Parts: sequence; structure tokens; C-alpha cells
Amino acid sequence: GENVEQHPSTLSVQEGDSAVIKCTYSDSASNYFPWYKQELGKRPQLIIDIRSNVGEKKDQRIAVTLNKTAKHFSLHITETQPEDSAVYFCAASITTFNKFYFGSGTKLNVKP
Amino acid sequence: DGGITQSPKYLFRKEGQNVTLSCEQNLNHDAMYWYRQDPGQGLRLIYYSQIVNDFQKGDIAEGYSVSREKKESFPLTVTSAQKNPTAFYLCASSVGQGAQPQHFGDGTRLSIL
Repeated sequence: GENVEQHPSTLSVQEGDSAVIKCTYSDSASNYFPWYKQELGKRPQLIIDIRSNVGEKKDQRIAVTLNKTAKHFSLHITETQPEDSAVYFCAASITTFNKFYFGSGTKLNVKP
Repeated sequence: DGGITQSPKYLFRKEGQNVTLSCEQNLNHDAMYWYRQDPGQGLRLIYYSQIVNDFQKGDIAEGYSVSREKKESFPLTVTSAQKNPTAFYLCASSVGQGAQPQHFGDGTRLSIL
């Protein structure tokens, strides 16, 4: 089955700096890649997603890039703010099977 | 998302007891999922269902059981065979077709008494 690896496990940045979280996947059939933000004790919430026919997608301060050849995708957060502090999860899915495989998470700490 | 309701928020299990976690959705989604989350770890798939009256085991199904008798409901039973049930349990749903994200409930935190 699919294996998703996520790095780093923790990331500490100064407010205003950029943060980058990287994920790799093993199954070349995966074609949908969502990113979730989870605050402590709360539900994961979708922040951005990308489909395999697109190389990059941006939504205000958040962007995701996808390299299908290398089988990796990354989350970029610019101008970080303290409220960006949370755990971020990447996921990969083969849409015909509707099964999602999650990375182990990155705890982002934005220092004011 | 207000469309997925998990209950209870906190649950305590006595040794040898089965407990059932409720998950209801009003999003008209076909697919539903149960995940287990341990502290500092990612989401591990317990069971998932793509359609009513059908479900498949995930990566850690041992000690758990589910049913999908109605489209909107996907209850999870943690049986006494699950020796380490203490965790945060998340229910999710998705449209079930195409590249669509999952929507999560608020979770149930299960502890052993």
C-alpha cells in the first residue's frame, strides 16, 4: 500500500519567516494530496489541496507544490503568524479507492 | 465541520467492556472513515466504508468493529479485545467520488478507568 513520509516532525520559526513542510509518497497512482491543520485537541481542518494534474496551487499565504516524477509534495507558509502554530498533516489518496494515507505530522511553532 | 457529529466527547471504558462511539453526518457523503490518533502521532485508519452496508478494514482493525446500516451513521465499537484503547478517535466523511477532501468530526477521547 501507499506510504507517506513527512518531514520535519517539528519546526520552529520566527514570526514573519517562511515555513516549509515536505512529504513523499510511494504509490505513483496517488492523484490527490490534501493538507490539514490540527490545533490541540481539535479536528483536522483542510487548508489546501492539490490534484495530480497541477504542479502548484496558492491560497493567500499558503501554497502547495507537487513533483509527480519525484513523488513529493510540499506545503509553504509565508509571513508566518503565531496563529499558524499547530500540527500539519499531509495526505495522499488514490481517488478511485477513496482511501487516504496520512503523514506523521509536523508540529509548527511560530515564535512571536 | 458542523456536518459531522461525534459523541460522546469523552468516554471511559472499564476493563472487559465494549464501548460504542457514535458518528453521524448530514453532508450526504457516501464514504465514512474511522481513525485513531495517539499523542504526537498521525492518523491511523481503523475502518472505512464507501457505501451503505459495506465496509473494509483499515491498517489497525483488530479489536474494533463497525456497522453501516444508514448512510448518515457509522458507529465504531471498541471491544474488550482492544487492549490499548486509550486514544483520540476521529470520524471523517467524504463525497466518495473524485478528488474530494475528507471532513472530520470533533473527535472522541477514550480512556481506560
